[in-house]
Amino acid sequence: ELKVEQNPLFLSMQEGKNYTIYCNYSTTSDRLYWYRQDPGKSLESLFVLLSNGAVKQEGRLMASLDTKARLSTLHITAAVHDLSATYFCAVDMVLADKLIFGTGTRLQVFP
Amino acid sequence: DTGVSQDPRHKITKRGQNVTFRCDPISEHNRLYWYRQTLGQGPEFLTYFQNEAQLEKSRLLSDRFSAERPKGSFSTLEIQRTEQGDSAMYLCASSLDGVYEQYFGPGTRLTVT
Repeated sequence: ELKVEQNPLFLSMQEGKNYTIYCNYSTTSDRLYWYRQDPGKSLESLFVLLSNGAVKQEGRLMASLDTKARLSTLHITAAVHDLSATYFCAVDMVLADKLIFGTGTRLQVFP
Repeated sequence: DTGVSQDPRHKITKRGQNVTFRCDPISEHNRLYWYRQTLGQGPEFLTYFQNEAQLEKSRLLSDRFSAERPKGSFSTLEIQRTEQGDSAMYLCASSLDGVYEQYFGPGTRLTVT
């Protein structure tokens, strides 16, 4: 059974600081997704990582994928309050299309 | 707006009642997915359709749950004899063959009292 684990589960960080969220998964997959969710809202797609070594950046967020280590990271640079949200990574199983989500990382950025 | 839409956005029902939710995917998307999300958790897969065919159902989808996509366009998710444990956000997503990214709708929040 594919399992996806994120850490930390909760992150409180000061504006201007850098931090990394980690996403580990248990079985082979070549596709890794990052989503953002604001309270009471649906999921917004941030990144789709489709191959080993893939790196994508958008604004203050950068995501990478290491399929050999079964690890993805979401790096936050110089955090701002608007980044406060819950971030989910998700993996889809080989030959299947359903997404298996991690437990989420709740990010809170304070002044 | 050409995104995924869901109706209703909120539903409060009494235990034992039946409820039905609707999802309209992005128009050219042939794949449609249903997920359930409880408070503080990530979404859990329920079922998915490719066109009108229901290709996979999760073990979470008990016999009280049924989903349809009769013409390969919109989909409905029905829950019969609701229980308090059914209270959750029900999310619909759609995607296009060969394009892996799934686009999520706003969700239907179900509260069973």
